[in-house]
Amino acid sequence: AQSVTQPDIHITVSEGASLELRCNYSYGATPYLFWYVQSPGQGLQLLLKYFSGDTLVQGIKGFEAEFKRSQSSFNLRKPSVHWSDAAEYFCAVGLSSGGYQKVTFGTGTKLQVIP
Amino acid sequence: DTAVSQTPKYLVTQMGNDKSIKCEQNLGHDTMYWYKQDSKKFLKIMFSYNNKELIINETVPNRFSPKSPDKAHLNLHINSLELGDSAVYFCASRGGSGRANEQFFGPGTRLTVL
Repeated sequence: AQSVTQPDIHITVSEGASLELRCNYSYGATPYLFWYVQSPGQGLQLLLKYFSGDTLVQGIKGFEAEFKRSQSSFNLRKPSVHWSDAAEYFCAVGLSSGGYQKVTFGTGTKLQVIP
Repeated sequence: DTAVSQTPKYLVTQMGNDKSIKCEQNLGHDTMYWYKQDSKKFLKIMFSYNNKELIINETVPNRFSPKSPDKAHLNLHINSLELGDSAVYFCASRGGSGRANEQFFGPGTRLTVL
């Protein structure tokens, strides 16, 4: 069965510093992977996704992620964090079965940004 | 315009009551989902409908009954509410048949059972 691990429950970074959020997945076939962000009291918003091609994908709000098959990882990065990036971040892996999509989410990483 | 909307945003009720949460999407998507997010932020799928047909049912208690009157709506009815049902419930929708098509989420409904 597919699974997603986000090893860091909580990360604190200074505004302007770089950020990397870790995500590891377990899935037998070529996965398709997502990063979502959840701001306080809001629903989830897609940051970026990977399903094939270039392993470095660009997303919204200056985020990027790199798919590394050898490490079963899909880490999210941002070169310079802004205070508005404080939120919960979810990595997810999708499975297509019979034409339908089922997505498994990681447990999330809460990002705190300090001045 | 709100793509995926849910009502109500907050719901506080007593144990044993029956309540419903409504979800509507104006994206023209064929597939809709219900997720439960617990107090630790763990997000777990409950149901999925495609063109009003149930396609995913993740061992959710029978007290939970989704209903899809049309493609744009997926409502969640909960009978005999229990303390453990307290959570944030998210509706989502997805269009097309592409494997990587993302889901669009509603703002969530925070359910508190007293």
